[in-house]
Amino acid sequence: AQSVSQHNHHVILSEAASLELGCNYSYGGTVNLFWYVQYPGQHLQLLLKYFSGDPLVKGIKGFEAEFIKSKFSFNLRKPSVQWSDTAEYFCAVILYGQNFVFGPGTRLSVLP
Amino acid sequence: SQTIHQWPATLVQPVGSPLSLECTVEGTSNPNLYWYRQAAGRGLQLLFYSVGIGQISSEVPQNLSASRPQDRQFILSSKKLLLSDSGFYLCAWSVRRTGGNYEQYFGPGTRLTVT
Repeated sequence: AQSVSQHNHHVILSEAASLELGCNYSYGGTVNLFWYVQYPGQHLQLLLKYFSGDPLVKGIKGFEAEFIKSKFSFNLRKPSVQWSDTAEYFCAVILYGQNFVFGPGTRLSVLP
Repeated sequence: SQTIHQWPATLVQPVGSPLSLECTVEGTSNPNLYWYRQAAGRGLQLLFYSVGIGQISSEVPQNLSASRPQDRQFILSSKKLLLSDSGFYLCAWSVRRTGGNYEQYFGPGTRLTVT
């Protein structure tokens, strides 16, 4: 069965530090890839998505992610985090015709 | 634009009582609908999904059931709640875009506490 792993359970950074959250999936076929963010007390929101084309995708709030097919990875990055980026981040994968599979989430705490 | 509603936002129920959580979607037709449970540190667990009225697939055997009486309505139920049913329940819908790509969007969730 397909699975999604996220490398870190909890990441703690200071403001202005660079961020990279790892995401790997287990399936080698055609996939759609997503990052969702959940700010404290709020909905899950779509941060960015990859369907096809340029493997470097840009999302909201300065986030970007790179799809590396050979590594089955879709890591999330931001060059300079802010305190307001404190949230939980979920990577998700969907295979064509199947259901979404979510990673366990990474909690990001940004210290002011 | 599409919106998704869930209610109630929070719920406290005693063990053994029934449950009914409702989810409705506006602005789209024939969506795929999903119920997830979110547990801290464990991500999202898919409970049920539905591709159409009356069509329910269960991903995890449990004390819960789901129904889809209308195209844009998805209900999560239980006849007798257990303590282990406590959690944060999310409804989601997905749509297939041009080119066969899917996107999924989430409701605000219901925090259920079983006492």
